[in-house]
Amino acid sequence: GQQVMQIPQYQHVQEGEDFTTYCNSSTTLSNIQWYKQRPGGHPVFLIQLVKSGEVKKQKRLTFQFGEAKKNSSLHITATQTTDVGTYFCAVNTGNQFYFGTGTSLTVIP
Amino acid sequence: NAGVTQTPKFQVLKTGQSMTLQCAQDMNHEYMSWYRQDPGMGLRLIHYSVGAGITDQGEVPNGYNVSRSTTEDFPLRLLSAAPSQTSVYFCASSWGGETQYFGPGTRLLVL
Repeated sequence: GQQVMQIPQYQHVQEGEDFTTYCNSSTTLSNIQWYKQRPGGHPVFLIQLVKSGEVKKQKRLTFQFGEAKKNSSLHITATQTTDVGTYFCAVNTGNQFYFGTGTSLTVIP
Repeated sequence: NAGVTQTPKFQVLKTGQSMTLQCAQDMNHEYMSWYRQDPGMGLRLIHYSVGAGITDQGEVPNGYNVSRSTTEDFPLRLLSAAPSQTSVYFCASSWGGETQYFGPGTRLLVL
């Protein structure tokens, strides 16, 4: 199956610090999606990237798709306690979705 | 709209017992899927369906059966539960390969 590596597995930051999680693939991706899962909750869709080099922003969140469409990143500027959760990338290969293992973000007040 | 609903929320089974996890959506989505989530392993696709009457296997289908008789419902059946099936199960629906909407999940413990 499609292998999508996501790093780091865990990240602890002080409130106000920045946070970045990365997804990498050995093959070219047609698209990549990002999801957030709050503790005890279910994954919630954040965004989908399709174009090479694409950059999208949602308030303090910046999403990038690599030029070669083999990697992607999610960057959060000035983290807040509401950012706590696990962030997953996911790739869609036709009808099947493959998720990264996720990055668990802890924000220390 | 209720979105994606799942029942039950929690379930404890003994090894060898069978059960059905229910999933329903009211968004008229053609695509529905089942995932299991285990610590450190992300979400892994069990089975999926691209429409009523059509199902296919995902990454980890062994031990699970599905059917899709209506657009709204996509139940997941465990025929003979094993401890290795202890997990959190999520159902999701979407329009094709677009945004997936997840249900609240079912936490299953197999003893």
